[in-house]
Amino acid sequence: GQNIDQPTEMTATEGAIVQINCTYQTSGFNGLFWYQQHAGEAPTFLSYNVLDGLEEKGRFSSFLSRSKGYSYLLLKELQMKDSASYLCAVTGSNYQLIWGAGTKLIIKP
Amino acid sequence: DSGVTQTPKHLITATGQRVTLRCSPRSGDLSVYWYQQSLDQGLQFLIQYYNGEERAKGNILERFSAQQFPDLHSELNLSSLELGDSALYFCASSVGQGVTDTQYFGPGTRLTVL
Repeated sequence: GQNIDQPTEMTATEGAIVQINCTYQTSGFNGLFWYQQHAGEAPTFLSYNVLDGLEEKGRFSSFLSRSKGYSYLLLKELQMKDSASYLCAVTGSNYQLIWGAGTKLIIKP
Repeated sequence: DSGVTQTPKHLITATGQRVTLRCSPRSGDLSVYWYQQSLDQGLQFLIQYYNGEERAKGNILERFSAQQFPDLHSELNLSSLELGDSALYFCASSVGQGVTDTQYFGPGTRLTVL
């Protein structure tokens, strides 16, 4: 089957670092997306990983291990505006993205 | 601002009614995707069109239909509405038809069925 697992909710402190994990099972894997979604707003693109390893973009980094079916999103120097849901999506069969349910990240001062 | 536009922003209607949601993709994008997101739920893929043709179909109900016009804008028609259809409906667009193309989302239409 095809599925994605992410933690439902995480809490972190302003200024700290948080790692949001995503594990997946899919056939026809070609890549993995991370999106950020503030409550009631549209998802916005954060990163796309195709190859194994870490990709860094400012305060956000994304890691992929294809052999383990595992990815994480690393957020550094957390700010209150980072409070949002983080969605993991992987390419699957049938030319569709498979979306995780999202991880709600709560940042506390 | 992603460049994807959706109208209307909000829609309130009654059970049994029919509504049409509209989406204009980013300039140059040929694919349009429709998603449903119920309160505190994940994104549910409904359907994708590429350059006017249906490309992929997800969990779209028979009461729902969509099309993409020659100018590439798309409409999602929802009929015989039920209370459970209340949700945010997002449109996204991408340059190509492939599943590896980054999708850019519009601001969504919030549908409330009373």
